[in-house]
Amino acid sequence: AQKVTQAQTEISVVEKEDVTLDCVYETRDTTYYLFWYKQPPSGELVFLIRRNSFDEQNEISGRYSWNFQKSTSSFNFTITASQVVDSAVYFCALSHGANNAGNMLTFGGGTRLMVKP
Amino acid sequence: ETGVTQSPTHLIKTRGQQVTLRCSSQSGHNTVSWYQQALGQGPQFIFQYYREEENGRGNFPPRFSGLQFPNYSSELNVNALELDDSALYLCASSAGQGVYNSPLHFGNGTRLTVT
Repeated sequence: AQKVTQAQTEISVVEKEDVTLDCVYETRDTTYYLFWYKQPPSGELVFLIRRNSFDEQNEISGRYSWNFQKSTSSFNFTITASQVVDSAVYFCALSHGANNAGNMLTFGGGTRLMVKP
Repeated sequence: ETGVTQSPTHLIKTRGQQVTLRCSSQSGHNTVSWYQQALGQGPQFIFQYYREEENGRGNFPPRFSGLQFPNYSSELNVNALELDDSALYLCASSAGQGVYNSPLHFGNGTRLTVT
């Protein structure tokens, strides 16, 4: 069975601090995709990144970076120099393979990030 | 580029009633997925529609059903509403069935309250 665990339910930081959101996953698939989504109070899930299981290179996009480690089944997300606008709930998600029902994602429970000025 | 739009934004229904939620997919997207997000939890996959047919379903009972239209818009129907159906219902569209084609783009959701 597929499972995504985000152990941190809530994190509070002060603006400009760095923060890492943890994600651990379980799957029996050899090919899969991992995602991070941001959910602001408006409710819309905003896509941040997609990573396939064969690409373990870390990725950096502006203040955001992601660390994928297949050996520990983790896909952690770091925000550098956090800002108040980063306050949201962040979800890690795992795809069920890459074919017909590949849009079936298993989401973690989410981490609520609060960045205080 | 028009994003995913959902209607209505909020809805209050009584237990036992039926409800229809609507979704217009993002321009260029032909696949629609529906997710249920209970308060304080992550979204759960309900089903996916591609070429007007359901081609993937999560662990939801048959009283959750859907449609996809030729213009790729979609409806989610829930019969015999239960209190536990109260949730945010999210629609997502993508260009193709698999996530290797494109990631899911979500709408703002419909907040359903069942009393």
